[in-house]
Amino acid sequence: DQQVKQNSPSLSVQEGRISILNCDYTNSMFDYFLWYKKYPAEGPTFLISISSIKDKNEDGRFTVFLNKSAKHLSLHIVPSQPGDSAVYFCAASYFPSGSARQLTFGSGTQLTVLP
Amino acid sequence: DGGITQSPKYLFRKEGQNVTLSCEQNLNHDAMYWYRQDPGQGLRLIYYSQIVNDFQKGDIAEGYSVSREKKESFPLTVTSAQKNPTAFYLCASKSTGGFYGYTFGSGTRLTVV
Repeated sequence: DQQVKQNSPSLSVQEGRISILNCDYTNSMFDYFLWYKKYPAEGPTFLISISSIKDKNEDGRFTVFLNKSAKHLSLHIVPSQPGDSAVYFCAASYFPSGSARQLTFGSGTQLTVLP
Repeated sequence: DGGITQSPKYLFRKEGQNVTLSCEQNLNHDAMYWYRQDPGQGLRLIYYSQIVNDFQKGDIAEGYSVSREKKESFPLTVTSAQKNPTAFYLCASKSTGGFYGYTFGSGTRLTVV
């Protein structure tokens, strides 16, 4: 049962335009969300996060939006650059009783920014 | 310079052999994790450890084993019982408090020949 879903395996965008990557979740207990970026043959690196008490968090060209009622979050990259071409993973976290926080990852979206 | 080191970066194994992947961190993180990534698929959790001398199976633990004798180290052994071991393996760690995200190593590409 996939609790975090990224339904688009790939996305192509022209350089300079906006990239929008989407993520849906099913577990209403999730209270913290993160985006990771991964280049081939490298480990994922943290990009941006958002707490469930917020609906938007911005860091430079990257903005994450959270819609709790729809259980949906999205990552906006504006303007997109060729160096942004990578796999983007959405991840969600909560604090289960009797255990420690863990991340649940989506399946990833390959973003290709065309020059 | 704190971080997670995975070695080797590339590893070749003959069928029927066990092989151990190394993961060392100097971040003083309590929790450590092993993930597997296959082409076109996401990150699947193999094993995790919240404290020394304790670890739990993840979603795809069959054919793998781990140990956590030291806080800094969490080696993963891919045994001959793992039917499709060729994959990219990622180690991660997390502190108990503070930032909820994981810090990842650079990965090990295992190929069965």
